[in-house]
Amino acid sequence: GESVGLHLPTLSVQEGDNSIINCAYSNSASDYFIWYKQESGKGPQFIIDIRSNMDKRQGQRVTVLLNKTVKHLSLQIAATQPGDSAVYFCAENKGGTSGSARQLTFGSGTQLTVLP
Amino acid sequence: DGGITQSPKYLFRKEGQNVTLSCEQNLNHDAMYWYRQDPGQGLRLIYYSQIVNDFQKGDIAEGYSVSREKKESFPLTVTSAQKNPTAFYLCASSTVGNYGYTFGSGTRLTVV
Repeated sequence: GESVGLHLPTLSVQEGDNSIINCAYSNSASDYFIWYKQESGKGPQFIIDIRSNMDKRQGQRVTVLLNKTVKHLSLQIAATQPGDSAVYFCAENKGGTSGSARQLTFGSGTQLTVLP
Repeated sequence: DGGITQSPKYLFRKEGQNVTLSCEQNLNHDAMYWYRQDPGQGLRLIYYSQIVNDFQKGDIAEGYSVSREKKESFPLTVTSAQKNPTAFYLCASSTVGNYGYTFGSGTRLTVV
């Protein structure tokens, strides 16, 4: 079946360094990807998204890169701060859905820990 | 402020009991979803609804039921048929043309 997976389950970085979180996807029909941040005991929060007709998109301190050739997605966080410590999920739009509902397929997540 | 409210935050269920998790949104979103999250795993879709009085099974619907009588509300019932209900349950909503979800803060269900 189709799946979204992450290369690393945990990532530790020093405060102030840049973080890179990776994600592999297998559904070539997916046309939309999202990164979510989930703090302990809370619901996921939207970080940034990208459509399949783009290779790169930048937000505030975050950049998402999409490589469709190898079906790879990455999230870069600049100048990582303690508040960035959380689990990060990538999600892809499940192709073939219609109507108002958009089914997303989520990866298992990467735990980012920012060290002082 | 607009958002999604899930209640209760913590819920304990005895063996053989049915329990209902509440999800209310005031975002005027058409679609609503229920996901289950187990430790160290991603989110798995239980049910979703595109409009009032309509809902569809997700990947792990067995042992769960939902209703959508109002646009704002999408309650999830965890029935006694669900053999392993202990998990973190997340409700989300989205609007037409917007792929991103807005999530609630979740309900942690524990079987005692």
